[in-house]
Amino acid sequence: EAEVAQSPRYKITEKSQAVAFWCDPISGHATLYWYRQILGQGPELLVQFQDESVVDDSQLPKDRFSAERLKGVDSTLKIQPAELGDSAMYLCASSLSREAFFGQGTRLTVV
Amino acid sequence: QKEVEQDPGPLSVPEGAIVSLNCTYSNSAFQYFMWYRQYSRKGPELLMYTYSSGNKEDGRFTAQVDKSSKYISLFIRDSQPSDSATYLCAMSAFDNQGGKLIFGQGTELSVKP
Repeated sequence: EAEVAQSPRYKITEKSQAVAFWCDPISGHATLYWYRQILGQGPELLVQFQDESVVDDSQLPKDRFSAERLKGVDSTLKIQPAELGDSAMYLCASSLSREAFFGQGTRLTVV
Repeated sequence: QKEVEQDPGPLSVPEGAIVSLNCTYSNSAFQYFMWYRQYSRKGPELLMYTYSSGNKEDGRFTAQVDKSSKYISLFIRDSQPSDSATYLCAMSAFDNQGGKLIFGQGTELSVKP
């Protein structure tokens, strides 16, 4: 069964350091999402790609976060510098039409 | 006020009970409604997907959408301990460029043997 792959699964970093997450969507899925989920809350959209183009990044803190999907396939989300408040689960999802399928996420802890 | 409201629980039921999970929303443009199940430290897993109003059944799960009341429900029949998880409702308006999912806070469910 096709899955969304994310790595790493867990990441501990010191504040002010740079951190990057990688996502490989389900093959053929043109839409890719990055969501952030704080413990006890629902996921919130950070950025949405349609192929290699950004469709929605209105909630992405652009002073420290960046995202790219250069060839319209896999994607990288970067945080630099990391802050204590960035500790959360970072989820990648992909979609062919309407249903979005999520990966297992990267749990980030900033110390 | 959040666009999607969901009681966080926790909700505890005995094995075999019928579980009712609910969300309300404020954006009348939402047309696509989903329920996700999320186990601890895992990503959300799509359970049910419904377009517009009506009911949809899949095994022990039934999803209902009432757009006139801006209210959606997920029913779980014959609940099992393996159903213990957080259940997230999500919805979207979708347009020509796709659309972001707006999630509820999630309801934590515990099914006791």
